[in-house]
Amino acid sequence: ETGVTQTPRHLVMGMTNKKSLKCEQHLGHNAMYWYKQSAKKPLELMFVYNFKEQTENNSVPSRFSPECPNSSHLFLHLHTLQPEDSALYLCASSQRGGEYEQYFGPGTRLTVT
Amino acid sequence: QKEVEQNSGPLSVPEGAIASLNCTYSDRGSQSFFWYRQYSGKSPELIMSIYSNGDKEDGRFTAQLNKASQYVSLLIRDSQPSDSATYLCASGESSGGSNYKLTFGKGTLLTVNP
Repeated sequence: ETGVTQTPRHLVMGMTNKKSLKCEQHLGHNAMYWYKQSAKKPLELMFVYNFKEQTENNSVPSRFSPECPNSSHLFLHLHTLQPEDSALYLCASSQRGGEYEQYFGPGTRLTVT
Repeated sequence: QKEVEQNSGPLSVPEGAIASLNCTYSDRGSQSFFWYRQYSGKSPELIMSIYSNGDKEDGRFTAQLNKASQYVSLLIRDSQPSDSATYLCASGESSGGSNYKLTFGKGTLLTVNP
């Protein structure tokens, strides 16, 4: 256990559904991240939050909507997804802005049907 | 486009041997470097971080950094079957102000044969 938890661990949703992924870190960090991991591709950074402020949006489609109510919690709201959005979604946290080590949660395996 | 390049493997070594994993990065401004281990179906687990030129040792793992050559490596001594996994290399660079982000390679699959 790294101190970063994610729920749900598995999610199957239709293209018209709305769902949310949740991440919580118990490490006292103040930066949190969403990554997407697809087969045969490098980890792709999606969003970065520092002290609850979004500091990076890596050209992510608007069907993905992040929310960071405080430094310990991060959400990813999903709506009208496409089958190509099926992937492992990983949350990570670190001290400050990321020049320090990032610790990953277990991930949510998302399948869009 | 900032890139981190790794040989995808698979790299196969016998148990007890030294496994050598290599990585190059394109951004000369990169300041921090990380190695993660990822077992199949699991999330990445941090193994080593390195910030300055030279070697850094932690147990059976040694990370090596050469900023002039833009090259990072990870040596695993006395390799065990439990080391079989995909190893991800990442470089950290500033994305403006005090914000940093990591760029990951695709990973090298290591297989340690009993």
